[in-house]
Amino acid sequence: QKEVEQDPGPLSVPEGAIVSLNCTYSNSAFQYFMWYRQYSRKGPELLMYTYSSGNKEDGRFTAQVDKSSKYISLFIRDSQPSDSATYLCAMSRGYGNKLVFGAGTILRVKS
Amino acid sequence: KAGVTQTPRYLIKTRGQQVTLSCSPISGHRSVSWYQQTPGQGLQFLFEYFSETQRNKGNFPGRFSGRQFSNSRSEMNVSTLELGDSALYLCASSLGDSNTEAFFGQGTRLTVV
Repeated sequence: QKEVEQDPGPLSVPEGAIVSLNCTYSNSAFQYFMWYRQYSRKGPELLMYTYSSGNKEDGRFTAQVDKSSKYISLFIRDSQPSDSATYLCAMSRGYGNKLVFGAGTILRVKS
Repeated sequence: KAGVTQTPRYLIKTRGQQVTLSCSPISGHRSVSWYQQTPGQGLQFLFEYFSETQRNKGNFPGRFSGRQFSNSRSEMNVSTLELGDSALYLCASSLGDSNTEAFFGQGTRLTVV
């Protein structure tokens, strides 16, 4: 079993929809949780960075962490075609920079 | 503020050769990590350097090595290249303390033929 599980999709939604992306994990030592967006042939771009449980909002993006359920989510409101990309969840124990990634979810927003 | 810079962007090498990839982190960042991304395995951690010392290491063979210089720039070397080493190699930089907020470069696309 992988430490971090993420549905690879693809997930296809109409423009303006609310998108929900999720990851589950097995290691309770993870404390820092991140979401990255990766366009084709580009490096991952950091979207959200959270510590421990709770919610964090940044514009159209909201990240949620539920450590008791070992479950994290990223919500995208008013999705745009430019949001079409692969979304990667990542997490770490906190010391050093070893990130453990999910497989990535391919998102397609149709105009 | 300049981002993470990786050079070269693309490389084609022959089996058995060796290759060196370079990464310049964000100014002020002292930690540099390397990842391999392939369609089958996703993003996998190779190693992390902090203040010129390897601080963490992933599960890759000894053919993969790295180093970090006093200006925090890092290089990654792969010796005796195999076809399976074809991948996007990504470098990430962070401040290096308990905060693991990591920023990635555009990557080096390595093709082994």
